[in-house]
Amino acid sequence: AQRVTQPEKLLSVFKGAPVELKCNYSYSGSPELFWYVQYSRQRLQLLLRHISRESIKGFTADLNKGETSFHLKKPFAQEEDSAMYYCALTGFQKLVFGTGTRLLVSP
Amino acid sequence: GAVVSQHPSRVICKSGTSVKIECRSLDFQATTMFWYRQFPKQSLMLMATSNEGSKATYEQGVEKDKFLINHASLTLSTLTVTSAHPEDSSFYICSAYKGVETQYFGPGTRLLVL
Repeated sequence: AQRVTQPEKLLSVFKGAPVELKCNYSYSGSPELFWYVQYSRQRLQLLLRHISRESIKGFTADLNKGETSFHLKKPFAQEEDSAMYYCALTGFQKLVFGTGTRLLVSP
Repeated sequence: GAVVSQHPSRVICKSGTSVKIECRSLDFQATTMFWYRQFPKQSLMLMATSNEGSKATYEQGVEKDKFLINHASLTLSTLTVTSAHPEDSSFYICSAYKGVETQYFGPGTRLLVL
């Protein structure tokens, strides 16, 4: 079965600290993994996807098939990074979301 | 960019009435749209896949007669919650598929059934 697990409901850090939002998945085939972000009072939007191998707003995520993980990282968190982050995988167009992690970056 | 709108953004209705929520892709055509439901402090749960010109595909446990989906054009999908009850109160979000496994999300519709 397809499943995405985000073990942390809340991650609170100070500005400038490194951030790692954990995501583990289970999928029988070769998944495509995504990170979506939802800022306060805004719609859900794509942050990055593993096949792009790009860094968006300083965030990166590496797909580790051995550990079935797709953790989201940023070396220096900013206050504007405070948001809800959802890890998701897709198969046949459908998205399966994790339960989300709220990142709170304090000054 | 790709913009998806939803209307209404918020609706309050009496128990037993039906509510229609519209999802539009404003600047692209979407043969496939998705409807999600999100409970407070929980993740998005896929309810159904809406395919233009054909019947929607519902996820397990979602009542198709309760949640009617119509995808009459390449830019519009509607979700009708029939005979709504308080337990149907939730945040309903649609997304439109633009290809290459990319979905663009609407802002959501908050439904409150009294």
